[in-house]
Amino acid sequence: DAGVIQSPRHEVTEMGQEVTLRCKPISGHDYLFWYRQTMMRGLELLIYFNNNVPIDDSGMPEDRFSAKMPNASFSTLKIQPSEPRDSAVYFCASSLSSGESGELFFGEGSRLTVL
Amino acid sequence: AQSVTQLGSHVSVSEGALVLLRCNYSSSVPPYLFWYVQYPNQGLQLLLKYTSAATLVKGINGFEAEFKKSETSFHLTKPSAHMSDAAEYFCAVWGAGGTSYGKLTFGQGTILTVHP
Repeated sequence: DAGVIQSPRHEVTEMGQEVTLRCKPISGHDYLFWYRQTMMRGLELLIYFNNNVPIDDSGMPEDRFSAKMPNASFSTLKIQPSEPRDSAVYFCASSLSSGESGELFFGEGSRLTVL
Repeated sequence: AQSVTQLGSHVSVSEGALVLLRCNYSSSVPPYLFWYVQYPNQGLQLLLKYTSAATLVKGINGFEAEFKKSETSFHLTKPSAHMSDAAEYFCAVWGAGGTSYGKLTFGQGTILTVHP
């Protein structure tokens, strides 16, 4: 079975450019999460969706970050304009709400470098 | 608010030795607790979970963890380390209510190194 698919795996961009990260959750999962991982701050929850609706975006650092989930099989995380401090690994994860709360399935991550 | 604290950012053991990774939690409600493992350049994978059933939980790859309410701990152990266990391990708590509902909050992680 296909897991969570993220693209791109690596992105190098210059400060001020727009960055779009993409995620395809596991089919049938109704929760989708975006996390950011850095050495300094560890794993931070940015935003999560339930049935395509954003439930909690309190972790989104600032207005430069936005996330959408137009349908059950696709989500994007956009940074505009990007800054060097946004350099991190961004993970998408999905889960099935019934029964296995907290059991998240992670993608392999998108490593972002902003120069 | 719920949180977990992992004691020790780095743990080093010899192959065949006991592995002990420490995690303490803070929760106002009975917690759901998890250990995840992250191998280099990969996403996190679930190792095991505690959801208020048996206090001793067995996971994949020979790992287990014991929930101790009196100590607010959920330490991860493995009797005999293998080279393939080298990875970063994360303890996490699931928000079952209040403002934490639906959120999985991770500890800072512990990097396990296994020496031959």
